[in-house]
Amino acid sequence: GDSVTQMEGPVTLSEEAFLTINCTYTATGYPSLFWYVQYPGEGLQLLLKATKADDKGSNKGFEATYRKETTSFHLEKGSVQVSDSAVYFCALIQRKSGGSNYKLTFGKGTLLTVNP
Amino acid sequence: DTGVSQDPRHKITKRGQNVTFRCDPISEHNRLYWYRQTLGQGPEFLTYFQNEAQLEKSRLLSDRFSAERPKGSFSTLEIQRTEQGDSAMYLCASSLATGELFFGEGSRLTVL
Repeated sequence: GDSVTQMEGPVTLSEEAFLTINCTYTATGYPSLFWYVQYPGEGLQLLLKATKADDKGSNKGFEATYRKETTSFHLEKGSVQVSDSAVYFCALIQRKSGGSNYKLTFGKGTLLTVNP
Repeated sequence: DTGVSQDPRHKITKRGQNVTFRCDPISEHNRLYWYRQTLGQGPEFLTYFQNEAQLEKSRLLSDRFSAERPKGSFSTLEIQRTEQGDSAMYLCASSLATGELFFGEGSRLTVL
C-alpha cells in the first residue's frame, strides 16, 4: 500500500537557520503530494502541495519539489523563524479514476523547534 | 469562525463507557472525513462521507465504532465499550469535491 516516510525529529534550529525535512513516498501511479503543518493547539493546515512531477509547491517561504525519480518531496526553508515551530506532516493522495481522491496517507510528523 | 469545529475538545472516560464526538464541517462542503491520530504518528484515515452517504470505512473502524452524517451536514462518531487502545486524537476534516481538506482542531479521547 501507499506509505510516506519522513525524517524523525525533533529538529531544533536557531532562528535564521536553513531547514530541510526529508520526505519520501511509496505509491503506485502518480500521487499528489502535500505538506501539512500543525501549530501548537491548532488543527492541521495545508502548507503547500504539488500535483505532478517537477512541480514546486511554495508558501510562507517554504518550498518542496515533487521528485518522481527519487520519490521525494523534501521541505525546505532558507531562514526559519520562531513562529515556524510546529509539527510538519508529509502526505499523499492517490489519484483514482472517477475523481474519488480522498484518502490522505500521512507520515509520522516531524517536530520543529526554532530557538531565538 | 467558519472553520471545521469539533466537540468536545477533550473527553476523559472510563473503559467500557460509550463516547460520542461531533463535527460541524464548513457549511458548503459536501465531503467529510474522520481521521485518528495517536501519539508520535500521523493521522490515519477512518471514514469518509459524501453528503449523507458513508462511502468508505477503514479496517481501523471496528464494529464498536459508528459514524453518521444524517442530513449531510454535521457528523457524529460514536465509540461503544471504549478500550484503552481507543485513546487518541480524533480529527474531522471537510472539503469540496477534490478540493483541499480543512481540518478541525480535534477531539482528544483519554480512556482510563
